[in-house]
Amino acid sequence: AQTVTQSQPEMSVQEAETVTLSCTYDTSESDYYLFWYKQPPSRQMILVIRQEAYKQQNATENRFSVNFQKAAKSFSLKISDSQLGDAAMYFCAYGASYGGSQGNLIFGKGTKLSVKP
Amino acid sequence: NAGVTQTPKFQVLKTGQSMTLQCAQDMNHNSMYWYRQDPGMGLRLIYYSASEGTTDKGEVPNGYNVSRLNKREFSLRLESAAPSQTSVYFCASSEFRTERTFFGQGTRLTVV
Repeated sequence: AQTVTQSQPEMSVQEAETVTLSCTYDTSESDYYLFWYKQPPSRQMILVIRQEAYKQQNATENRFSVNFQKAAKSFSLKISDSQLGDAAMYFCAYGASYGGSQGNLIFGKGTKLSVKP
Repeated sequence: NAGVTQTPKFQVLKTGQSMTLQCAQDMNHNSMYWYRQDPGMGLRLIYYSASEGTTDKGEVPNGYNVSRLNKREFSLRLESAAPSQTSVYFCASSEFRTERTFFGQGTRLTVV
């Protein structure tokens, strides 16, 4: 069974600085998706970034980028120029990509990010 | 676009009461899901429906039932609520594969 581990329950960053959130996962599949979701106090689940495992290039979305190390099964999120609005819970998630999968996401336990002004 | 709409947003139940959480999506997705979120646990899958007319258990199905009423709607029922079911519940939908998953706003349920 696939698992996702986030080893940092809480992280803190100074406004305008850079922070990296860690995520490791376990799977025997070669093709899959990895995600980072942001959950602000409003509870809404917001997709931050998505990585397709067969793509070697790391995904980037504005100030958010990932370091995807497939062999090490590592998927970290880097937030550059941190803003107060980045404060939230961040969840790493795994999703199968092959047909016939049940299609659900497997989540880590989350990292609470605080941003100091 | 409404996306995934779930109701209610908040609910307080007494132990032993029953209730149904409603979920509807307007994106013509085949797959729909119910997750629960507990502090320090991330989101865990309760039930899912890969297509209209089918439902299957996820990681934590005990104490819940689901109905895929049609392609749009997927409801979650608590027959006899217990304090252990105090949680935040999320409905979600996706295409057959997981590359695009959309979440509802969540329901905060408290069982006293």
